Amino acid sequence: DIQMTQSPSSLSASVGDRVTITCRASQGINNYLGWYQQQPGKVPKLLIYAASTVQSGVPSRFSGSGSGTDFTLTISSLQPEDVATYYCQKYDSVPLTFGGGTKVEIK
Amino acid sequence: EVQLLESGGDLVQPGGSLRISCAASGFTFNNYAMSWVRQAPGKGLEWVSTIRGGGDVAYYADSVKGPFTISRDNSKNTLYLQMNSLRVEDTAVYYCAKAIRGYYWYFDLWGRGTLVTVSS
Repeated sequence: DIQMTQSPSSLSASVGDRVTITCRASQGINNYLGWYQQQPGKVPKLLIYAASTVQSGVPSRFSGSGSGTDFTLTISSLQPEDVATYYCQKYDSVPLTFGGGTKVEIK
Repeated sequence: EVQLLESGGDLVQPGGSLRISCAASGFTFNNYAMSWVRQAPGKGLEWVSTIRGGGDVAYYADSVKGPFTISRDNSKNTLYLQMNSLRVEDTAVYYCAKAIRGYYWYFDLWGRGTLVTVSS
């Protein structure tokens, strides 16, 4: 099975900072990758699909890139409401697999 | 309003069984595959199972293959997960999710979840 590895596992940044989260697949998955945000105590929310397509209603400060094995989620200007855990998920094959998560906090 | 509402979570003894449900509204239920995703306390997300819109084909994570069965009743807009031979490690919040076909599926709508606790 293909494994999804996120890094870092946690980060702390200041409001307004540019934040980048990485997700690496153990084998190529084309661009079949989604990103989710889970705010504390809340339900996961889809941010990005097809590696770089922003879901409707998601703020423009969120963007995704990558293809094959290496992907990134970028928050261009971190806001207090972005405190959350972020997960990547591959959907090129079953099992559908999530990364381990990246917890983002405000410094 | 487009929403998913899970129910049926409970405290169950190891080896026991439980069926959880997910009522869908606001979209054409039988046009979409549906999934269960779980989250153990303080842990990350784990895909459990997906069933196609027609209910004819289902997919399972290896960790639940055999004891768990996903099903749907399109006449009632309801998704189910029958869980047998439950183990302590099955303790989690179980989310129902609407699946969008990419190559396989990603999830654009999630329910609030239902808590299943397996403990003696």
